[in-house]
Amino acid sequence: DTEVTQTPKHLVMGMTNKKSLKCEQHMGHRAMYWYKQKAKKPPELMFVYSYEKLSINESVPSRFSPECPNSSLLNLHLHALQPEDSALYLCASSPQTAPLNYGYTFGSGTRLTVV
Amino acid sequence: GESVGLHLPTLSVQEGDNSIINCAYSNSASDYFIWYKQESGKGPQFIIDIRSNMDKRQGQRVTVLLNKTVKHLSLQIAATQPGDSAVYFCAENQEGGKLIFGQGTELSVKP
Repeated sequence: DTEVTQTPKHLVMGMTNKKSLKCEQHMGHRAMYWYKQKAKKPPELMFVYSYEKLSINESVPSRFSPECPNSSLLNLHLHALQPEDSALYLCASSPQTAPLNYGYTFGSGTRLTVV
Repeated sequence: GESVGLHLPTLSVQEGDNSIINCAYSNSASDYFIWYKQESGKGPQFIIDIRSNMDKRQGQRVTVLLNKTVKHLSLQIAATQPGDSAVYFCAENQEGGKLIFGQGTELSVKP
């Protein structure tokens, strides 16, 4: 299995809702990432988990809450989002964070719309 | 701050021609670079990578060139096909596994 699987593929939520994005990989990778991508823009890093511990938070608002229950799973909990948070949310994984070598793999993303 | 950028936002080529997509980076300490292809509605797909101790790396129909003197990266696609139409991003690694992406080039292949 050489894939990063993200669910759901599409999500529409209201500004008062609580929802979660899920990401799973079975490649034995010990680093997992959340990126945010707006239309016609490059992906931007949000969080890095290394060996199930949060190692980088790119000053992301607290309405986004990441969680890494085990080495194969990564969640992103969403609460009280704003319409400007609508974007494609990408999960990625790599064997480790350093040295960074072949294997930095992205999932297909969750298209999030906040209404 | 440090950034990775692309010279051309769009590139249109004829089917069968070769394509060259360029990328400039500013962090001279970067030691690993990746080219990704992103089709509409999909996540970035790995194409090819290169470490800073190399000048050139070849894959199937793709070649990446790295010029550390001028901090320039390019992706060459041979015999471009309609299926190559997508947005192409270069990415540069930074500390902690963080990838910094360039702005992207949209490649359009005319039949």
